[in-house]
Amino acid sequence: QSALTQPPSASGSPGQSVTISCTGTSSDVGGYNYVSWYQQHPGKAPKLMIYEVSKRPSGVPDRFSGSKSGNTASLTVSGLQTEDEADYYCSSYAGSNNPYVFGTGTKVTVL
Amino acid sequence: QLQLQESGPGLVKPSETLSLTCAVSGGSISSSVFYWGWIRQPPGKGLEWIGTIYYSGSTYYDPSLKSRVTISVDTSKNQFSLKLSSVTAADTAVYYCARSWSVGGALDVWGPGTMVTVTS
Repeated sequence: QSALTQPPSASGSPGQSVTISCTGTSSDVGGYNYVSWYQQHPGKAPKLMIYEVSKRPSGVPDRFSGSKSGNTASLTVSGLQTEDEADYYCSSYAGSNNPYVFGTGTKVTVL
Repeated sequence: QLQLQESGPGLVKPSETLSLTCAVSGGSISSSVFYWGWIRQPPGKGLEWIGTIYYSGSTYYDPSLKSRVTISVDTSKNQFSLKLSSVTAADTAVYYCARSWSVGGALDVWGPGTMVTVTS
């Protein structure tokens, strides 16, 4: 199972929006509504930001939103803040034989 | 609230077996609702799923690691464990344990991670 494809980097100024894509196949992203997004600051464990494509866990700001179209999922961060600077990883369910596939990761820089 | 904490040797010799434990506090590992998993991250690289276990003992492993991985659960100690045999330098990584609501579902609680280096 190949990793999901994410752009290596993305950036925006404070207050702007940034959107990160996560491209898979019909066997993972396109086949199930089980896409998650994780935020990881340097030296820290990942933190769940979005689950089941567009749902936000309690405590995650509504500046973070998720969507999916076909085999590509997206994470949008609106109203960028300095603390949003981090690595972001997507993940998708990929069937019972290999339940998890992660994305390649995107480093978001707040200019 | 629920907390996870990984523990185990930080150094492992090539060809030996890596053994880690994840202690669960603030909740029961025997809950029928949750699954418990291991994920790793090589230095400077992305996340890799290793495997997941249910409290009943049902396991799910990454196909590429399946021949070398064993995940087990000890409900009496409220913990679960990872064993990875025949390690090489490629197994050097930060190892995380995490909770999910289903196999392949979102990982909503993570341990802080523990660095394991394979070196002679």
